[in-house]
Amino acid sequence: GAVVSQHPSWVICKSGTSVKIECRSLDFQATTMFWYRQFPKQSLMLMATSNEGSKATYEQGVEKDKFLINHASLTLSTLTVTSAHPEDSSFYICSAPPRAEAFFGQGTRLTVV
Amino acid sequence: AQSVTQPDIHITVSEGASLELRCNYSYGATPYLFWYVQSPGQGLQLLLKYFSGDTLVQGIKGFEAEFKRSQSSFNLRKPSVHWSDAAEYFCAVGSTSGTYKYIFGTGTRLKVLA
Repeated sequence: GAVVSQHPSWVICKSGTSVKIECRSLDFQATTMFWYRQFPKQSLMLMATSNEGSKATYEQGVEKDKFLINHASLTLSTLTVTSAHPEDSSFYICSAPPRAEAFFGQGTRLTVV
Repeated sequence: AQSVTQPDIHITVSEGASLELRCNYSYGATPYLFWYVQSPGQGLQLLLKYFSGDTLVQGIKGFEAEFKRSQSSFNLRKPSVHWSDAAEYFCAVGSTSGTYKYIFGTGTRLKVLA
């Protein structure tokens, strides 16, 4: 079946640094991928839609300059959290829909200290 | 506005008891419907999905869900809960317009008593 791989699974970084998270579709091509964020004990909120070969579409309230998304190929989307601060600590998860049913990555636990 | 409501934030059941997790949605048409389970610190695992057809869908781990159009509901059920079912459960709706965006409910945390 379709598999989406996300890396890293967890990362700890210092405040002010940038962190890159990768999302790969392993056995299918994904022209669109989605990035979600989940704060502790809360639901998943869509942050942005990553579009291969074009700019990402961000949901209202999400800072595009802080959360840089690059979808340079049909199997890879990256989310870079720039100048991370403790309030960016969260669980980030990507999804790729080969069809109506999307497949999710394993998620990345980001802790900014 | 499109939304998904899971009225129960926490549910506690005894092992072997039956379970029903509620999910109501607000959407312009019949959306794609999903139930996911998330163990602590883990990603999402798909339990079951509804696209069309039979309104009673079977999923993995003995779960089933029933789509009721008149009630805009998609409740998840399991006849006998196992201790390993303790986790967070999310109901989600997916766009049928081809964008495949998901809207998630707030989740229901299930605790299972031995």
